[in-house]
Amino acid sequence: DGGITQSPKYLFRKEGQNVTLSCEQNLNHDAMYWYRQDPGQGLRLIYYSQIVNDFQKGDIAEGYSVSREKKESFPLTVTSAQKNPTAFYLCASSITSGVETQYFGPGTRLLVL
Amino acid sequence: EDQVTQSPEALRLQEGESSSLNCSYTVSGLRGLFWYRQDPGKGPEFLFTLYSAGEEKEKERLKATLTKKESFLHITAPKPEDSATYLCAVQAKGGSYIPTFGRGTSLIVHP
Repeated sequence: DGGITQSPKYLFRKEGQNVTLSCEQNLNHDAMYWYRQDPGQGLRLIYYSQIVNDFQKGDIAEGYSVSREKKESFPLTVTSAQKNPTAFYLCASSITSGVETQYFGPGTRLLVL
Repeated sequence: EDQVTQSPEALRLQEGESSSLNCSYTVSGLRGLFWYRQDPGKGPEFLFTLYSAGEEKEKERLKATLTKKESFLHITAPKPEDSATYLCAVQAKGGSYIPTFGRGTSLIVHP
């Protein structure tokens, strides 16, 4: 089955620690995205990538970093500089840019110890 | 700046009680409008894409419509399993193709 997988489902971060969220897709999509979702708020874009080895900052990139070394993978690192990381993180992909539907993974909930 | 406003924030219905969710948008030019369903603790699930005013799409008890300023998601004779948060997003012509999302409408259908 084609789709997007995210791991882990739950992640706990200690103060000062960097943590990495995994996102893998086997849909052969070129574009991938990371969103943050907080209660009562819309999805906010962290980073996106249209092609391997290239990515752009979204609206709330501070305290986060990404890489896109393979078409299938787009990991997100939440650094210690992100002072309020508790949220639900969603990865998405689309075939390309343009009017392309985004398909979402199941999400990772990050909690701070 | 593109804006998307969804109303109401929350809606409680009795099973079988039809209603509509609203998505009002402001964009310089609409490329596409998307509806998603999101269950608690899960990722959004794609429902519909609408491209131009007057367009309608249906799936089971759901029907999405589009005008130049807003979209409606009509739910006919809802069932408890329709309970979820419904998200609307718009994609503008020109510039970034990244969609702008609304905050969603939380729907609860009571048996």
